[in-house]
Amino acid sequence: DAGVTQSPTHLIKTRGQHVTLRCSPISGHKSVSWYQQVLGQGPQFIFQYYEKEERGRGNFPDRFSARQFPNYSSELNVNALLLGDSALYLCASSYQETQYFGPGTRLLVL
Amino acid sequence: GNSVTQMEGPVTLSEEAFLTINCTYTATGYPSLFWYVQYPGEGLQLLLKATKADDKGSNKGFEATYRKETTSFHLEKGSVQVSDSAVYFCALSGAIIQGAQKLVFGQGTRLTINP
Repeated sequence: DAGVTQSPTHLIKTRGQHVTLRCSPISGHKSVSWYQQVLGQGPQFIFQYYEKEERGRGNFPDRFSARQFPNYSSELNVNALLLGDSALYLCASSYQETQYFGPGTRLLVL
Repeated sequence: GNSVTQMEGPVTLSEEAFLTINCTYTATGYPSLFWYVQYPGEGLQLLLKATKADDKGSNKGFEATYRKETTSFHLEKGSVQVSDSAVYFCALSGAIIQGAQKLVFGQGTRLTINP
């Protein structure tokens, strides 16, 4: 079975730009979560979606938004990029409270 | 709020040595506990989990026991291999709030195994 997939794998943007990251969950999983992992730290929770509805949001500014589609895939959008947004963005899909992670999208903001 | 504290790294061991990575947590209620592993340049892989007190999670020779009395979930392996070199994250999944169940991670422990 395919695991969680994310695209793109790497991305370079400049300050002020906008970025969209994509995630496809494991087949049959209806919940998707997004995490930000800054170099040398543990992942920090950004959002969780279930059945297309936002179920939780971490301590991130409104520049961060997300949505989930009818096929349970998800997009994370970040507007007005800052240097500090440079990180590995991880998507996870959930089944019975266990979260399974994708390989991540590495974003570099210059 | 919920939090996880992990043993500070980096940890360097010789092949076949015994491994312990300490993890303690603070949480309300009865969280589930997890260990994830991250190999260089990759995402997180679930290593093992425990969902209630005294449960022992195990996988690939790694073990961890959910100790409610000491709020701990220490990771152990009897004989490490070079291929175990990675960053290890302890995490907890707390109560469902408004339908969301987020993972709270420790800061990670970098493990290097020398041949």
